[in-house]
Amino acid sequence: ILNVEQSPQSLHVQEGDSTNFTCSFPSSNFYALHWYRWETAKSPEALFVMTLNGDEKKKGRISATLNTKEGYSYLYIKGSQPEDSATYLCAFYSNSGYALNFGKGTSLLVTP
Amino acid sequence: SQTIHQWPATLVQPVGSPLSLECTVEGTSNPNLYWYRQAAGRGLQLLFYSVGIGQISSEVPQNLSASRPQDRQFILSSKKLLLSDSGFYLCAWDTTGLSYEQYFGPGTRLTVT
Repeated sequence: ILNVEQSPQSLHVQEGDSTNFTCSFPSSNFYALHWYRWETAKSPEALFVMTLNGDEKKKGRISATLNTKEGYSYLYIKGSQPEDSATYLCAFYSNSGYALNFGKGTSLLVTP
Repeated sequence: SQTIHQWPATLVQPVGSPLSLECTVEGTSNPNLYWYRQAAGRGLQLLFYSVGIGQISSEVPQNLSASRPQDRQFILSSKKLLLSDSGFYLCAWDTTGLSYEQYFGPGTRLTVT
């Protein structure tokens, strides 16, 4: 089992605030890094899959960066909205493994 | 398009009772299938994965088992549930490829009393 750490564990922001979370993972044997968004009572949904050092991906107000050499990824949300409230999971895929290793997630609450 | 089904959505079972959770995938062939569990206060933990019919690999020792009787059917079972088996169970699939993006089912909330 590979150690994937996410911080903070939870976050409470006001509507309009920008925020970011961190995911750290082993820097050796890197293959891919995934971000998922998990809303209550729904299935986790893929946001980004990143494979190259320096990758930056964007989907609307949400973006992510990847540093495979130091083993971290940041997820940014610009101008948070209440509908962004969810748990954000990162998962690491090793090239010596066969499955995703998930972090515990960051729980985001955005209040109006 | 691909769809993944899980049932039941919620389940309350007494300690020592058997368990059977079912997952089926539509719209794809030869998927890799996974069972995950999220226990209270913990992250998603991989329990089992399968790359084909009858091929099951277990990640952690436990009193659970999995079977894949058909290409797109994955079943999670237990002969005798423990309190520690309570949690949220997710089935997922992907196909071998560059992205390895996984698609999750709606999940089953299991409470063992």
